[in-house]
Amino acid sequence: DGGITQSPKYLFRKEGQNVTLSCEQNLNHDAMYWYRQDPGQGLRLIYYSQIVNDFQKGDIAEGYSVSREKKESFPLTVTSAQKNPTAFYLCASSIDGGGDSEAFFGQGTRLTVV
Amino acid sequence: GDSVTQMEGPVTLSEEAFLTINCTYTATGYPSLFWYVQYPGEGLQLLLKATKADDKGSNKGFEATYRKETTSFHLEKGSVQVSDSAVYFCALSPLAGSARQLTFGSGTQLTVLP
Repeated sequence: DGGITQSPKYLFRKEGQNVTLSCEQNLNHDAMYWYRQDPGQGLRLIYYSQIVNDFQKGDIAEGYSVSREKKESFPLTVTSAQKNPTAFYLCASSIDGGGDSEAFFGQGTRLTVV
Repeated sequence: GDSVTQMEGPVTLSEEAFLTINCTYTATGYPSLFWYVQYPGEGLQLLLKATKADDKGSNKGFEATYRKETTSFHLEKGSVQVSDSAVYFCALSPLAGSARQLTFGSGTQLTVLP
């Protein structure tokens, strides 16, 4: 079945460590996105990529980094520079970056800093 | 910039009650409008969408009409079920070919009691 796979579902990180969240899609979509969700809030865009080897910062990119070396993969690294990384992270993709194209979401990764 | 305002929750209804979740937006031009649903512990799923004024999106008994004159996209369902309990997000996407990113409202938690 086609879809987006995020792993792991739960992740614990010690303060000062970098951690990488995986996002893979087999939908042959060009565009991919990372969002952060905090309790009682909407989703905020961290980074997005419209094509391989290209990505742009979203609204809250500080303390995060991404790469897009393959069309199907868009990993997110949460660095030690991110001051408040505990959150639910959602990866999404769309067929292209067009305004009316549907975004498909993964199941999310819940990151907790301990 | 673009923004989406949803009615605050949580909303608690009895089974078979009528549901309205208000959503208004601020955007330039003619954005596409979406409703996404998030079940507990999962990612978001597209519920319905509308891409131009007066369009009505519908799915699973839910409906929403794109009202440009009132900049609104209210979600309605005539008879809710327990299985509709979830968080509902209103979102907009700018005119196709522009910024290509979704702006989300803060979400409305719906609980339906048997």
